[in-house]
Amino acid sequence: GAVVSQHPSRVICKSGTSVKIECRSLDFQATTMFWYRQFPKQSLMLMATSNEGSKATYEQGVEKDKFLINHASLTLSTLTVTSAHPEDSSFYICSASSKSIYEQYFGPGTRLTVT
Amino acid sequence: DAKTTQPPSMDCAEGRAANLPCNHSTISGNEYVYWYRQIHSQGPQYIIHGLKNNETNEMASLIITEDRKSSTLILPHATLRDTAVYYCIVSATDSWGKLQFGAGTQVVVTP
Repeated sequence: GAVVSQHPSRVICKSGTSVKIECRSLDFQATTMFWYRQFPKQSLMLMATSNEGSKATYEQGVEKDKFLINHASLTLSTLTVTSAHPEDSSFYICSASSKSIYEQYFGPGTRLTVT
Repeated sequence: DAKTTQPPSMDCAEGRAANLPCNHSTISGNEYVYWYRQIHSQGPQYIIHGLKNNETNEMASLIITEDRKSSTLILPHATLRDTAVYYCIVSATDSWGKLQFGAGTQVVVTP
């Protein structure tokens, strides 16, 4: 199957700082990328949908000014958590899909810890 | 998108078939049934999807009832590596649409 990578796999940052997470589709062009968040022992929660070259569409309750998403190319989307706080500590997962494939391919996730 | 109902957990003996049920009684005509699984602390993995007909691939089989209100994912010979949370999701025909994950079924395969 197609490969999606995320970087970094783990990150620890101090409260008030910003952190950027990259999501790359390595062997296909992703017209759409999705960002999810998962708290311990909970299911994945969709945060936003990102189409290449367009502004991201955020799910209800997700602050677009706090979670900045950029999908500047068909292989790269970034999520920036601005002014991070301890409650933003979570497992962030991206997925990618294109019109040529029927399934979404998920990245391995990024564990964010805000101290 | 329609919602799904799955049992919270199930155990399966290694080497036996695992049958995972899913109810999606409000599914619309243009919605596929997708199955994904998530092994602990990893990103979800696509398993299989179908619209009306039964489907089989190298990982699993998907049986969809004629009225499409429920489906069963079959892992033919469960291994310890199949221990994971399995998610049944319905999503509109264009699969690059959103996937809304429910609670899923925690499957534990035991020796």
